[in-house]
Amino acid sequence: QSALTQPASVSGSPGQSITISCTGTSSDVGSYNLVSWYQQHPGKAPKLMIYEGGKRPSGVSNRFSGSKSGNTASLTISGLQAEDEADYYCCSYAGSSTPVVFGGGTKLTVL
Amino acid sequence: EVQLVESGGGLVQPGRSLRLSCTASGFTFGDYAMSWFRQAPGKGLEWVGFIRSKAYGGTTEYAAPVKGRFTISRDDSKSIAYLQMSSLKTEDTAVYYCTRVVGNWFDPWGQGTLVTVSS
Repeated sequence: QSALTQPASVSGSPGQSITISCTGTSSDVGSYNLVSWYQQHPGKAPKLMIYEGGKRPSGVSNRFSGSKSGNTASLTISGLQAEDEADYYCCSYAGSSTPVVFGGGTKLTVL
Repeated sequence: EVQLVESGGGLVQPGRSLRLSCTASGFTFGDYAMSWFRQAPGKGLEWVGFIRSKAYGGTTEYAAPVKGRFTISRDDSKSIAYLQMSSLKTEDTAVYYCTRVVGNWFDPWGQGTLVTVSS
């Protein structure tokens, strides 16, 4: 069982917006603005999409955005495109004893 | 271009050992912590552990399922991070990825190497 809770799947049509939630606790997501999000296409390596809650690495589309409220972080993808279909994982710092906690992943289907 | 390439995966019997390598290029390897993750077939990502840079003592942290069995080390002169796995179990079967640690996130990731633990 993963430390962070994500929905198993979400779906949307091209052009629509979707949001993937990532729920943790006051010991991880709620205590630090250090949530990162990763995109993984089948058979490929994960790719960093969002870090420190809402920052985008160079080269990542501005259609991807991140936010946080309390113990829940969210990844929003606007203007859905077919290429966005992938698995998405959230990750948070959780303190010195358990530095890294991950979500179980969300499969995004673009209808 | 920053690049990470894992190697050393393969088929190994339960109880045996295996060492994975992660060869880095395109950045000053010694300045960064390095981390290992794994992904069992059809499952999500799981953090395995990381090693800090020498500037931060080169110390290591591990996830509970591998603590005491896996050891991460680094050779900054060769820009290589290692994952020494011992007392392997069938549940250690996974694709193993190495990543560079930047702040509290991970970027980039290598292409992964498959480890299959089976008799």
